[in-house]
Amino acid sequence: QKEVEQDPGPLSVPEGAIVSLNCTYSNSAFQYFMWYRQYSRKGPELLMYTYSSGNKEDGRFTAQVDKSSKYISLFIRDSQPSDSATYLCAMEDKNSGYSTLTFGKGTMLLVSP
Amino acid sequence: GAGVSQSPSNKVTEKGKDVELRCDPISGHTALYWYRQSLGQGLEFLIYFQGNSAPDKSGLPSDRFSAERTGGSVSTLTIQRTQQEDSAVYLCASSVGLAGVQNIQYFGAGTRLSVL
Repeated sequence: QKEVEQDPGPLSVPEGAIVSLNCTYSNSAFQYFMWYRQYSRKGPELLMYTYSSGNKEDGRFTAQVDKSSKYISLFIRDSQPSDSATYLCAMEDKNSGYSTLTFGKGTMLLVSP
Repeated sequence: GAGVSQSPSNKVTEKGKDVELRCDPISGHTALYWYRQSLGQGLEFLIYFQGNSAPDKSGLPSDRFSAERTGGSVSTLTIQRTQQEDSAVYLCASSVGLAGVQNIQYFGAGTRLSVL
């Protein structure tokens, strides 16, 4: 079992739809959770960063963490064609003195006008 | 600089040649990371630096891969005797530190390597 599972998609939605992107993980030591957005031929850019269980909102984006279920989500409201990109979840183990991030494989999102 | 800078943006080479990829991190970031991203795959961790030291080289795929960082700033990833399976996008990231909120990594645009 991979440490982080993420459906690769593609996920196709019409403009204005609510999008739900998800990752599951197996390592209970993961404590920091991030969502990155990657446009074609670009590097990943950080969208959201969360530590605790619950919701964190930033504009049209909401990150949700459920540590008991080892499940994280990113919701995008009023999706726009400019949201079309690959979304990667990433996690960090807080118990390490130092740590690299473990990434999901990414979900490709296509928002049609 | 304003962000992480990588060069070249694209590199086409012949099988068996050596290539050198460069990463210039955000000023003041002590940690630097190299990843590889192949088509349809996630980010594969290669190596990270804290200052000029590389405590974790476990991700380097083979002894043909090496990396160094000098002056706590610029890093180079060298691939010797390139093979076709080395074709991928090589991404560099930097962060303020190594744990928790300091480990938020900022990525460059990557070097797209094609080995013919």
